[in-house]
Amino acid sequence: DAGVIQSPRHEVTEMGQEVTLRCKPISGHDYLFWYRQTMMRGLELLIYFNNNVPIDDSGMPEDRFSAKMPNASFSTLKIQPSEPRDSAVYFCASWTSGTTDTQYFGPGTRLTVL
Amino acid sequence: AQSVTQLDSHVSVSEGTPVLLRCNYSSSYSPSLFWYVQHPNKGLQLLLKYTSAATLVKGINGFEAEFKKSETSFHLTKPSAHMSDAAEYFCVVSPNAGGTSYGKLTFGQGTILTVHP
Repeated sequence: DAGVIQSPRHEVTEMGQEVTLRCKPISGHDYLFWYRQTMMRGLELLIYFNNNVPIDDSGMPEDRFSAKMPNASFSTLKIQPSEPRDSAVYFCASWTSGTTDTQYFGPGTRLTVL
Repeated sequence: AQSVTQLDSHVSVSEGTPVLLRCNYSSSYSPSLFWYVQHPNKGLQLLLKYTSAATLVKGINGFEAEFKKSETSFHLTKPSAHMSDAAEYFCVVSPNAGGTSYGKLTFGQGTILTVHP
């Protein structure tokens, strides 16, 4: 298995632009998580899905952030409009509630908003 | 509710000497506990996990951790540090099945390990 795949790996954009981050979870995993990592706040859970349904979005910072999971193999995290304070590394992770308790993380997307 | 406290933000050791990274947790449920490692500009990799089986857990690259319920601790150790161990380490707690937050990880703030030649 290729693991969790995220794209793009790096994104540089200007304030006010729309940013879309993409994630492909490990096949067969029924949970998908979006995290944000910053120096100031560490690793924060933004939202997670179970069987493509959002379960907990209490970590989403504000209405500028939205996430979707249209099918079991694809999820997006969108920021519109983007702001400099959104600059961070965004990680996607997937997990199955079966025999393992391990979340597998993607390589992350490093977002810079100028 | 659950929380994780990593007691040291930075640990510095010499190559070949023991490593100890300290972690205390709080959880309303019987938790699962993990240690993840993050090398510079990389994603997070699982080192080891405790899920209510043996209290001494062995992981990859010679790391191990001991779950001590009475002390609510899950410290990470390695007998002999290697230069390649230099990275940031995260202690993580997750409630076991049955909790309403099943699967929702809570991360510690991280400990940066520096290994000197």
